[in-house]
Amino acid sequence: DQQVKQNSPSLSVQEGRISILNCDYTNSMFDYFLWYKKYPAEGPTFLISISSIKDKNEDGRFTVFLNKSAKHLSLHIVPSQPGDSAVYFCAASARETSGSRLTFGEGTQLTVNP
Amino acid sequence: GAGVSQTPSNKVTEKGKYVELRCDPISGHTALYWYRQSLGQGPEFLIYFQGTGAADDSGLPNDRFFAVRPEGSVSTLKIQRTERGDSAVYLCASSDRTGRETGELFFGEGSRLTVL
Repeated sequence: DQQVKQNSPSLSVQEGRISILNCDYTNSMFDYFLWYKKYPAEGPTFLISISSIKDKNEDGRFTVFLNKSAKHLSLHIVPSQPGDSAVYFCAASARETSGSRLTFGEGTQLTVNP
Repeated sequence: GAGVSQTPSNKVTEKGKYVELRCDPISGHTALYWYRQSLGQGPEFLIYFQGTGAADDSGLPNDRFFAVRPEGSVSTLKIQRTERGDSAVYLCASSDRTGRETGELFFGEGSRLTVL
């Protein structure tokens, strides 16, 4: 039962353009969402998060949008840079779970071409 | 060190053997997590420690898997009678928050386990 799903295993964009990574979830108890970035041979690193009481959170070139009715969130990167090339994981947590236990999606490999 | 440290970085073992994977969290972080990442998948939750106690071990796949954190700092994930399906990258993460307001976890680079 995949509660967090990233349907696009890969995405390729040109430098300077917008990258849009998508994520869908099924568990209506999820109320906190995060994006992590992972380079090869490194652990995932936190990128940006959003609480379910918001529909948008922005941090520099990164913006996360949340559509609760559709159970969908997206990460926008603009402008995209070659250094953004990495695997991006969507993750979610629910209030009733202990600590910060996260449920991750499968990841999307982003490639930004110079 | 400044980050989460995991050893060994790579471990190759034979089916049926016993394996220990070690995690040294960021100093002062009370929460510690173990995740497992199989090829082409996202990290999958295994167990969460708050201090010395396992607050949530519901992600451990079976009783061959066990983890300890006796002094509330370093943790060891122990796998008995390893099977080929245990092959994965085992990720450790720590957090300095007992709540979940940010949910930010700091991950180590992982221990890649290969069971032949």
